[in-house]
Amino acid sequence: DGGITQSPKYLFRKEGQNVTLSCEQNLNHDAMYWYRQDPGQGLRLIYYSQIVNDFQKGDIAEGYSVSREKKESFPLTVTSAQKNPTAFYLCASSIPSGAGQPQHFGDGTRLSIL
Amino acid sequence: GNSVTQMEGPVTLSEEAFLTINCTYTATGYPSLFWYVQYPGEGLQLLLKATKADDKGSNKGFEATYRKETTSFHLEKGSVQVSDSAVYFCALSDRQGNNDMRFGAGTRLTVKP
Repeated sequence: DGGITQSPKYLFRKEGQNVTLSCEQNLNHDAMYWYRQDPGQGLRLIYYSQIVNDFQKGDIAEGYSVSREKKESFPLTVTSAQKNPTAFYLCASSIPSGAGQPQHFGDGTRLSIL
Repeated sequence: GNSVTQMEGPVTLSEEAFLTINCTYTATGYPSLFWYVQYPGEGLQLLLKATKADDKGSNKGFEATYRKETTSFHLEKGSVQVSDSAVYFCALSDRQGNNDMRFGAGTRLTVKP
């Protein structure tokens, strides 16, 4: 079955550490997205990528970085510059823009600070 | 910019009650509209969608109609079940540009037996 796989499901970070969240999709989607979800809040866009080797900042990109070297993969690094990283992170993908298509989501990674 | 406002929760209903979760939007142009559902510890699942005015999306007994005149996309279900307990998100996606999707804050629904 096609889908989006996020790993790990739970992740712990020490102060000053960078951590990388994995997102892999086998839906053959060109576009991929990273969102942050805080308790009781909606989703906020961190970064998105419409095509391999290209990505754009979303609304809350500070303290995060991404890469898009392969169509299937869009890893997110939470850097030490992100002062409040504890949150639930969701990866999504969709077919290209211009059609108002739905996004398909992974099951998320919950990041906590030790 | 585009935005979505949805009914604040939490909402608690008894089994077989009627459900309405209100959603209104602000958008330039003609967005597509979506309802997603999130179960505890999971990602979002697409529940239903509508791509143009007067379209009705439906799935698993849930319905929502795209009302351009009132800029609304209210979610309804005639008889809720305990298994419908989840958080529901209304969202819109601009047909132009980067498929940027805007989400409401979510409404937590609890259905009691």
